[in-house]
Amino acid sequence: GENVEQHPSTLSVQEGDSAVIKCTYSDSASNYFPWYKQELGKRPQLIIDIRSNVGEKKDQRIAVTLNKTAKHFSLHITETQPEDSAVYFCAARSYNYGQNFVFGPGTRLSVLP
Amino acid sequence: NAGVMQNPRHLVRRRGQEARLRCSPMKGHSHVYWYRQLPEEGLKFMVYLQKENIIDESGMPKERFSAEFPKEGPSILRIQQVVRGDSAAYFCASSPSPGQYFEQYFGPGTRLTVT
Repeated sequence: GENVEQHPSTLSVQEGDSAVIKCTYSDSASNYFPWYKQELGKRPQLIIDIRSNVGEKKDQRIAVTLNKTAKHFSLHITETQPEDSAVYFCAARSYNYGQNFVFGPGTRLSVLP
Repeated sequence: NAGVMQNPRHLVRRRGQEARLRCSPMKGHSHVYWYRQLPEEGLKFMVYLQKENIIDESGMPKERFSAEFPKEGPSILRIQQVVRGDSAAYFCASSPSPGQYFEQYFGPGTRLTVT
């Protein structure tokens, strides 16, 4: 089945700097890769996603890149702000296997003022 | 503009009791996923359902856990004879009709505490 790894587990950056979180997946049939942000005690919220037929997607300060050959995808946050502090989860979904989402273990991002 | 609804938000049960968690998907969504999240950990897939049909239950423990999504009413995750290790946040997510790239949206979660 699918296995998703995520690094780093914790990340501290200064306000205004960039943050990068990386994920790898194992199932080459995975074709949809969402990223979720979860603040303490709250629900995971979808912040950006990418499909396997696209290499990069950007939404204001957030971007995601996908390398299908290497089976890894990354979240990039530029000009970080204190409100970006949260736990970020990547996920992968293979339409051909189980049809469920497999999540990475999460990255706790702290943006220091 | 109702999103995914879950109730109760907090549930306390004693060991051996039953826990029933409810999830009402977003309007127009016919697919429901249930996840478990232990403190300081990630989201663990449990089960994926469509109306009146279990699509994938590969993440469900073999005993004590069951899920349903009837034609009418919310999806229900049932945990029988709860144990302390069942204490966790249980999230459901819903997505629209079939398609390869559909998004899923999460409910606020039910925090189960087993005493």
